[in-house]
Amino acid sequence: EVQMLESGGGLVQPGGSLRLSCAASGFTFSSFAMTWVRQAPGKGLEWVSAISESGAGIYYPNSIKGRFTISRDNSKNTLYLQMNGLRAEDTAVYYCARRFSSYWAFDFWGPGTLVTASS
Amino acid sequence: QSVLTQPPSASGTPGQRVTMSCSGSSSNIGSYTVTWYQHLPGTAPKLLIFNNNQRPSGVPGRFSGSKSGTSASLAISGLQSDDEGEYYCTAWDDSLNGVMFGGGTKLTVL
Repeated sequence: EVQMLESGGGLVQPGGSLRLSCAASGFTFSSFAMTWVRQAPGKGLEWVSAISESGAGIYYPNSIKGRFTISRDNSKNTLYLQMNGLRAEDTAVYYCARRFSSYWAFDFWGPGTLVTASS
Repeated sequence: QSVLTQPPSASGTPGQRVTMSCSGSSSNIGSYTVTWYQHLPGTAPKLLIFNNNQRPSGVPGRFSGSKSGTSASLAISGLQSDDEGEYYCTAWDDSLNGVMFGGGTKLTVL
């Protein structure tokens, strides 16, 4: 059974840093591109970042670039998101998800982890 | 503000057919395939439609997608109370240089 489980969320002061992890199981992790998507309270879904199977290809929207860093460790079946300079508007539930084939579609998602940037 | 425009709400009665729209531009829907997700309260989003009109295995045939030009739509037939939730369209966007999500349509089953 395909499963993803995010961890590392919590309360952080504005300007602080957090590293999210996503432990994957039930599939060959190194064969799939992965992504992070977030949902702020009362808002819709927002794509945050994506990484190719090997980690060589990395994608960020222009609004995120420079503060967040996506990475993966295929030997540990784990996806990461390093978040620096956190702002109140980064408060959200962060989901990791698996990319479906070559489409920009995500077929399996974790339950999410809540990040709160507040003083 | 999302560049994929979805109506904020839609509604229908059990058994009815409902459709919801997603309007974009040449930099997203006009050039790339559309994906639809269902997001029910307290759960992770679920992939419903990819490549404009394809269903992943396990998604019932009640859900169908279509695309024409810079717009797309999702139809749900035989509406059920379990369908109540938020529905999002997405597409790659050249201006964002990434995956753009629509603002979502909240479906209410009356």
